[in-house]
Amino acid sequence: AQSVSQHNHHVILSEAASLELGCNYSYGGTVNLFWYVQYPGQHLQLLLKYFSGDPLVKGIKGFEAEFIKSKFSFNLRKPSVQWSDTAEYFCAVNARNTGFQKLVFGTGTRLLVSP
Amino acid sequence: DAGVIQSPRHEVTEMGQEVTLRCKPISGHNSLFWYRQTMMRGLELLIYFNNNVPIDDSGMPEDRFSAKMPNASFSTLKIQPSEPRDSAVYFCASSERQGASTEAFFGQGTRLTVV
Repeated sequence: AQSVSQHNHHVILSEAASLELGCNYSYGGTVNLFWYVQYPGQHLQLLLKYFSGDPLVKGIKGFEAEFIKSKFSFNLRKPSVQWSDTAEYFCAVNARNTGFQKLVFGTGTRLLVSP
Repeated sequence: DAGVIQSPRHEVTEMGQEVTLRCKPISGHNSLFWYRQTMMRGLELLIYFNNNVPIDDSGMPEDRFSAKMPNASFSTLKIQPSEPRDSAVYFCASSERQGASTEAFFGQGTRLTVV
């Protein structure tokens, strides 16, 4: 069964700092990969997704992620964070062995950006 | 489309009472997911349906939890009897299966407090 690991549970940054959040998954076959964001008190919203093609994926609000198949990783990056990026970030995966239906999430990373 | 609609938004109940959470997926979506979010365990997949059929309920914590999807536009998650440790935010999500291109859309969640 697929699983997702997010190693950083809490990250604190100052505005304009660069961000990289780690995500590793365990399934060896074909996968779809996602990053979702949850702003305080709100539901999860999609930031970006990877299905196939260019492993460098660009999403909303200046976020990007790179799929490195050999490392089973899909790290999220942003060159310069803003106070409004304070939120919880979730990496998720679904895999071919479940027909790409079973969407499994990591435990999340809480990002706090100080002004 | 109004998105995934969950009700109620907040529920406070006494231990031992039955609780029913409701979800209306996005019209045309044929996969539906129930997740539970807690500080300790993050976002856990409880069960998911495809075409109204439960596919994987391995995440349902115990027999006190049950979920149904009587038709394509409605699903319920029931807890009977409820316990304080069930307190969490419960999210419903739906997706449209188009080959491998699946993206889940989340509802606003139901915050359940069992006292």
